[in-house]
Amino acid sequence: NAGVTQTPKFRVLKTGQSMTLLCAQDMNHEYMYWYRQDPGMGLRLIHYSVGEGTTAKGEVPDGYNVSRLKKQNFLLGLESAAPSQTSVYFCASAYASVRGDTQYFGPGTRLTVL
Amino acid sequence: AQKITQTQPGMFVQEKEAVTLDCTYDTSDPSYGLFWYKQPSSGEMIFLIYQGSYDQQNATEGRYSLNFQKARKSANLVISASQLGDSAMYFCAMRDNMYSGGGADGLTFGKGTHLIIQP
Repeated sequence: NAGVTQTPKFRVLKTGQSMTLLCAQDMNHEYMYWYRQDPGMGLRLIHYSVGEGTTAKGEVPDGYNVSRLKKQNFLLGLESAAPSQTSVYFCASAYASVRGDTQYFGPGTRLTVL
Repeated sequence: AQKITQTQPGMFVQEKEAVTLDCTYDTSDPSYGLFWYKQPSSGEMIFLIYQGSYDQQNATEGRYSLNFQKARKSANLVISASQLGDSAMYFCAMRDNMYSGGGADGLTFGKGTHLIIQP
């Protein structure tokens, strides 16, 4: 039981390049989330998904796209990376419930955009 | 408007002492949940404890307890008998609309408190 895993762990991009971050969970969670963490800040929600085939915008969605083609995977895409997207990206997942359940986080991906 | 406020950017505490990390929150929704996460220097986010707004008792998990004062909108984390391994960033987070369709909503985080335990 690996929990929540993220690929890659580190990445350096040049401005304008594109990339996809992969999040995978093996806990059969319905809900999945992408956050970013900048220095001196707490995590901020980028996008989230309540189930396979559905996505929704969070607090800071601009410049990112997401897809949830399979229940266990949640992809975060950067079409044209900018230095302002330099950050640590965390994926999280949770069981579906009316009340909302605890979110469990992956180890993070450190992205640098030059 | 900031929904979660952690007023202590950093704290130094002697080993074996109890620690209180402050968290105040702002919401107009009566149904909400409060969470504390630990982020050690390795970077992962570790869930510590949860308190629901309708919970009658303060939450406890081992050495962690949550001092929930609803009227003051505060949810302080208390760590008893601190250990060197408790040195980390600690984040308070909230999700509101817990019983009105907000179960899937993301968390709103505070800026964190950097706790350093000294031997």
